[in-house]
Amino acid sequence: GAVVSQHPSRVICKSGTSVKIECRSLDFQATTMFWYRQFPKQSLMLMATSNEGSKATYEQGVEKDKFLINHASLTLSTLTVTSAHPEDSSFYICSAPFPTDSNQPQHFGDGTRLSIL
Amino acid sequence: GQNIDQPTEMTATEGAIVQINCTYQTSGFNGLFWYQQHAGEAPTFLSYNVLDGLEEKGRFSSFLSRSKGYSYLLLKELQMKDSASYLCAVRSGHNTDKLIFGTGTRLQVFP
Repeated sequence: GAVVSQHPSRVICKSGTSVKIECRSLDFQATTMFWYRQFPKQSLMLMATSNEGSKATYEQGVEKDKFLINHASLTLSTLTVTSAHPEDSSFYICSAPFPTDSNQPQHFGDGTRLSIL
Repeated sequence: GQNIDQPTEMTATEGAIVQINCTYQTSGFNGLFWYQQHAGEAPTFLSYNVLDGLEEKGRFSSFLSRSKGYSYLLLKELQMKDSASYLCAVRSGHNTDKLIFGTGTRLQVFP
């Protein structure tokens, strides 16, 4: 069964809305989680590393004020897309490392399809 | 910089064998992973290589040459359901689970 749960699976909203996406690790603790963005027909692009109890580490070119990440507990990380615009429409996926499985470093959520009108 | 390159698209026939290549240049190396991703879904793990050589798992095999910065995924006895994107990813550090993904290869299997 799923070890990482991501919610919601799909969001359609108006331009200017802020959207929150949740990523939960099920039955294990994740001090680190990762957030990716994927545009159509492209690969996964790492946006940021979410660190429990401390600030997220953002990849070059990702606006930290635009994509707010909060990792308030050992099982939950949230990504908030603030004042979303049509160019933010994308597939957002989170992942978490499973502590006892270094040969499969990350388990992925099912992704969130974000569409900004 | 870090580069992980794959062919953009490939086609093959049902029952055939296909090899998907991946070349990488990263600041460090601590393992290479292959994932399969169907459209609109999350990636699913296929294989892991950290030492040189071939790893076989049923119809799927993956090869690594660290000195050449090269890996390939070999799919045998292709089935229609194998039509998907295949992503190569490198873990570049020893104290991190962070993965850098390649450009991805879209494979179309025809009857």
